[in-house]
Amino acid sequence: RKEVEQDPGPFNVPEGATVAFNCTYSNSASQSFFWYRQDCRKEPKLLMSVYSSGNEDGRFTAQLNRASQYISLLIRDSKLSDSATYLCVVNRGGSNYKLTFGKGTLLTVNP
Amino acid sequence: DTGVSQNPRHKITKRGQNVTFRCDPISEHNRLYWYRQTLGQGPEFLTYFQNEAQLEKSRLLSDRFSAERPKGSFSTLEIQRTEQGDSAMYLCASSVGTGEANYGYTFGSGTRLTVV
Repeated sequence: RKEVEQDPGPFNVPEGATVAFNCTYSNSASQSFFWYRQDCRKEPKLLMSVYSSGNEDGRFTAQLNRASQYISLLIRDSKLSDSATYLCVVNRGGSNYKLTFGKGTLLTVNP
Repeated sequence: DTGVSQNPRHKITKRGQNVTFRCDPISEHNRLYWYRQTLGQGPEFLTYFQNEAQLEKSRLLSDRFSAERPKGSFSTLEIQRTEQGDSAMYLCASSVGTGEANYGYTFGSGTRLTVV
């Protein structure tokens, strides 16, 4: 089993749609969780950290369920500029802060 | 530019040649990471430095790969006797050593290696 698994995608949605990404992780000792965004042929960029209580940043909402080892990202009112690959990322803890990435889910928002 | 800088941006090399990539992290960051990303996959961890010490290496880092970070500043990643399977984007990231739990890493733009 892979350490971080995401919806395989791709997702194609119309502008204004709500889209949800799901992710599971296998290591119950994981301590920190993130969503990164990666545009085509560019480097990954931090979209948001994911906190146990859930957190929101504008149109983006992230949720964490430690008991189920499940992370989600919800994008409301999607824009053309949201088209990208969304990477679920987990830090298993320890002193090296190594991040483990999922394969990513490609989102295309259509006009 | 105060971000993570990687050079070159692109490298095309013939199989069997050696290549070296450079990463200049954000100046106050003491942690530096190398990742490799192939098409359709997420980045995979290769190695990690804290200051000048290389503290962890992935099993992906075969003996043809070597990384250094002299003086705890810039880092180099060398691949000897390149193979076509080495074709990938090589990403460098740095972090400050505190607060990663909240802020993750800052990645450079990457070096795209094509082995022909």
